[in-house]
Amino acid sequence: NAGVMQNPRHLVRRRGQEARLRCSPMKGHSHVYWYRQLPEEGLKFMVYLQKENIIDESGMPKERFSAEFPKEGPSILRIQQVVRGDSAAYFCASSPRGPTNEKLFFGSGTQLSVL
Amino acid sequence: QQQVKQSPQSLIVQKGGISIINCAYENTAFDYFPWYQQFPGKGPALLIAIRPDVSEKKEGRFTISFNKSAKQFSLHIMDSQPGDSATYFCASSTQGGSEKLVFGKGTKLTVNP
Repeated sequence: NAGVMQNPRHLVRRRGQEARLRCSPMKGHSHVYWYRQLPEEGLKFMVYLQKENIIDESGMPKERFSAEFPKEGPSILRIQQVVRGDSAAYFCASSPRGPTNEKLFFGSGTQLSVL
Repeated sequence: QQQVKQSPQSLIVQKGGISIINCAYENTAFDYFPWYQQFPGKGPALLIAIRPDVSEKKEGRFTISFNKSAKQFSLHIMDSQPGDSATYFCASSTQGGSEKLVFGKGTKLTVNP
């Protein structure tokens, strides 16, 4: 049973370009969470999705960031017109049940570097 | 506003020693307190977790101590091993589960052989 798969592992973008980060949850998991980790900081919640629905996006920046989890395929975190401050590690996590579930499985992350 | 304060930032322990990492939280609505372990290049992995209805939870060499009145909880690693060298994050959440975990800034633990 493969774990949470994130790709790419490393992504380099120039300022103004778009970044697309993909996350395939563990088999049987229908709840996906995205977290961002800045250097020397803990992880910060961004968004919680279920299939075809955004449940909680209170941690998402209001502009340039969007997330989706379609019926088929991976969850996508999209960052438009990237700026240097977007450079961070982005982690996806999945769980088999909703918020009361304790077990959250994290992927290995995507390291985004903005030049 | 940092809701979970973690200390120390880094910790060096000799093999066989006890590693202690502390966290303090502000939001009294928090009701779930997990610890995550992260190795370089990997995502965090759940190590152990506690709810406020108990003051201590032990799993193998890992123990969480919880003080509700002081709004503090700590991780103790007994008989620390070089393989325990990693970054440890405390976290908190409401709703009794894993949604919207609020993480501390992490403690880099080094266990010398």
